[in-house]
Amino acid sequence: EAQVTQNPRYLITVTGKKLTVTCSQNMNHEYMSWYRQDPGLGLRQIYYSMNVEVTDKGDVPEGYKVSRKEKRNFPLILESPSPNQTSLYFCASSTYGTGGYTFGSGTRLTVV
Amino acid sequence: AQKVTQAQTEISVVEKEDVTLDCVYETRDTTYYLFWYKQPPSGELVFLIRRNSFDEQNEISGRYSWNFQKSTSSFNFTITASQVVDSAVYFCALSEVQSGYALNFGKGTSLLVTP
Repeated sequence: EAQVTQNPRYLITVTGKKLTVTCSQNMNHEYMSWYRQDPGLGLRQIYYSMNVEVTDKGDVPEGYKVSRKEKRNFPLILESPSPNQTSLYFCASSTYGTGGYTFGSGTRLTVV
Repeated sequence: AQKVTQAQTEISVVEKEDVTLDCVYETRDTTYYLFWYKQPPSGELVFLIRRNSFDEQNEISGRYSWNFQKSTSSFNFTITASQVVDSAVYFCALSEVQSGYALNFGKGTSLLVTP
């Protein structure tokens, strides 16, 4: 089944403790991206990657890192999480230029 | 600047009513895509439709229909004979060449359908 898999689904952590949210896709898509969703703000792009070793900032990149060492994986790294990063996070993948996106199920992160 | 505007923040209807969700977009690209997604209370994003800028045909899928009008930069979504299961947040999104095909979402419209 074609899918984007995010883990974990839920995470509660403390301020400053480094964490990684994993994202993996099995569709051989070149394009992957991360979004965060906050009430009243909709979904905003954090980072995206057009292919292996090619990443770029989205609208709200501060406090996040990403890497794209393999085509299928695009982890989101929070080096020092803060409470304002409490949010619902989505990973998505697409064949570049087609506009067809597949989203993961989301990761609900709470930073206390 | 907001590229996708969903002016209706919340809509409440009674079951079996028809409801239209508005979406207005802004772009200078000639090639772009428009999307609607549904987010039920469980939180996942459910893809509903993708439309490219060269196809202005309206589309109907069961109780759902979409009206794409380039002249007014609108891509409105109508649910006919609404049901309680339609209660969700609905997002309109734009994908453009100039932004590397990133999805630019509106802020969403929360639809509540009551029995």
